[in-house]
Amino acid sequence: AQTVTQSQPEMSVQEAETVTLSCTYDTSESDYYLFWYKQPPSRQMILVIRQEAYKQQNATENRFSVNFQKAAKSFSLKISDSQLGDAAMYFCAYRSALFGNEKLTFGTGTRLTIIP
Amino acid sequence: GAVVSQHPSRVICKSGTSVKIECRSLDFQATTMFWYRQFPKQSLMLMATSNEGSKATYEQGVEKDKFLINHASLTLSTLTVTSAHPEDSSFYICSAREYGNTRYTFGSGTRLTVV
Repeated sequence: AQTVTQSQPEMSVQEAETVTLSCTYDTSESDYYLFWYKQPPSRQMILVIRQEAYKQQNATENRFSVNFQKAAKSFSLKISDSQLGDAAMYFCAYRSALFGNEKLTFGTGTRLTIIP
Repeated sequence: GAVVSQHPSRVICKSGTSVKIECRSLDFQATTMFWYRQFPKQSLMLMATSNEGSKATYEQGVEKDKFLINHASLTLSTLTVTSAHPEDSSFYICSAREYGNTRYTFGSGTRLTVV
């Protein structure tokens, strides 16, 4: 079974600075998808960014980018120019690309605090 | 964009009663829906996966007779917590996916309190 590990329970960053959240995963599969989700105090899960394992190019979405290291099974999230609205729980998630295996496996989360 | 409506957002029920939570996809056909449970300050734990028109597949350790899942249409799935007990108090979240799409859309969650 796949596992997702987030080794940083809490992180903090000064507003406008850059922060990197870590995520590692364990799988024997070669094709899969990786996600970062944000859960603000409202508890609504919001997709931040997605990466297909077969793509070597790192995904980016505005201020959010990932460092995908397939051999190392690492998928870190970089948030640039941090804003107060970025404060939330961040969850890394894995999904197999195998047909019929569509469930997301989540990490334990990282609570990000933005310091004004 | 894709929207999933989850209702109710909060519910308080007495021990021994049943509670139904609805999850609706408003602008797409949700061929697969997922139900999660989240304890305070913890991650999302998948309870079950349901495909439209089929019986739900439950994760190990989840009591299927206690957590009844129905996915009778492409836009609606329900989770019924039967004979609720205080230990069932939790935050429940649904997620929906359209066939062929790797996008997962989440509901806003339901906070269940059993007294």
